[in-house]
Amino acid sequence: KNEVEQSPQNLTAQEGEFITINCSYSVGISALHWLQQHPGGGIVSLFMLSSGKKKHGRLIATINIQEKHSSLHITASHPRDSAVYICAVTGNQFYFGTGTSLTVIP
Amino acid sequence: NAGVTQTPKFQVLKTGQSMTLQCAQDMNHNSMYWYRQDPGMGLRLIYYSASEGTTDKGEVPNGYNVSRLNKREFSLRLESAAPSQTSVYFCASSLGLKNTEAFFGQGTRLTVV
Repeated sequence: KNEVEQSPQNLTAQEGEFITINCSYSVGISALHWLQQHPGGGIVSLFMLSSGKKKHGRLIATINIQEKHSSLHITASHPRDSAVYICAVTGNQFYFGTGTSLTVIP
Repeated sequence: NAGVTQTPKFQVLKTGQSMTLQCAQDMNHNSMYWYRQDPGMGLRLIYYSASEGTTDKGEVPNGYNVSRLNKREFSLRLESAAPSQTSVYFCASSLGLKNTEAFFGQGTRLTVV
């Protein structure tokens, strides 16, 4: 059972490219989270959203509740953006996607 | 402000040994969680504590026990470690169970040989 599906699993981009990571979910949710995990393992929360769109610097997260879909966009990507990006939803509990591994090449 | 602190960061155990992973948060959060992360799989919930004094099983509780010692601390115990428990373990906390941001510890890389 995969309550949360992410695509793509792996992504390589050239520095400066616009990046999109997608997340689809199948359960009823109260909120959706985007997390970032850098090599070395630490996980940090980027966004929590339940509707619409949020922006933080070069990162933009959107959610469509009707379609049960969210996207994470990175504008003007940089090598320091290289990380695993994890989509998670909260319904009765947290459900996590398997992550998208992003590598940005200088 | 330390956030969520996990110890140890690395551990190697022999099959059958026991150990306790410690987790503490200083954000006055009510809810705390233990997850394991394995290659190709998302984070999976082992146990959680919705509030001080309560603990509940998650998706993969077998082989583990937990203690919510007080509001700050939530420990995970492996009574008899097995190679299948080789994983990276994350502790997390949040203000509540729903609609709240989760904060994660740095992880514990456990190898059972």
